[in-house]
Amino acid sequence: SAVISQKPSRDICQRGTSLTIQCQVDSQVTMMFWYRQQPGQSLTLIATANQGSEATYESGFVIDKFPISRPNLTFSTLTVSNMSPEDSSIYLCSVGDRGRFYTFGSGTRLTVV
Amino acid sequence: GQQLNQSPQSMFIQEGEDVSMNCTSSSIFNTWLWYKQDPGEGPVLLIALYKAGELTSNGRLTAQFGITRKDSFLNISASIPSDVGIYFCAGRIGGGADGLTFGKGTHLIIQP
Repeated sequence: SAVISQKPSRDICQRGTSLTIQCQVDSQVTMMFWYRQQPGQSLTLIATANQGSEATYESGFVIDKFPISRPNLTFSTLTVSNMSPEDSSIYLCSVGDRGRFYTFGSGTRLTVV
Repeated sequence: GQQLNQSPQSMFIQEGEDVSMNCTSSSIFNTWLWYKQDPGEGPVLLIALYKAGELTSNGRLTAQFGITRKDSFLNISASIPSDVGIYFCAGRIGGGADGLTFGKGTHLIIQP
């Protein structure tokens, strides 16, 4: 299965600032996704990162707050914009291939102060 | 949106006991997945199920994809201390909606 490297692994940020999280995969994959895991909670899908086109966002998530890029089949970024303490969560990159083999990165632990 | 009802929320068991947890939904899923998450880590895929009725094992773990495609269970036999963690079920509807919907998790605690 694909190996995912996610950076940074953790960060503490000031409210009002933005943080860009990178997801690098060791092989080409058809699907890349971004999830949020709030403290003590389950995972919630933020969006599907589409190569060469705008990401597809789930209900409750918008592009202005969580802009996503996916320039090729092995790399994607998620930006958390204009952060507030409510954005403190773990953000996880995930990949899938033709509906199979859904694997996750180790996540980015974000604390907004 | 789709919801997965995962139970139990937590389990306190003795080492060596068998464990069973399940997920149900009002929606039909085309794929069921079971993950384990340890503190400070991302979820690790344990078992993936792709066909209704499919029964799959991975060592001491066994999972089944329900015939109705609205449920799945995970069994762990002869639990050991390293089984401690949070187990999540996840489902994929498919048909262009390829992201996963997750259950709320089952927190497994093993008492010595």
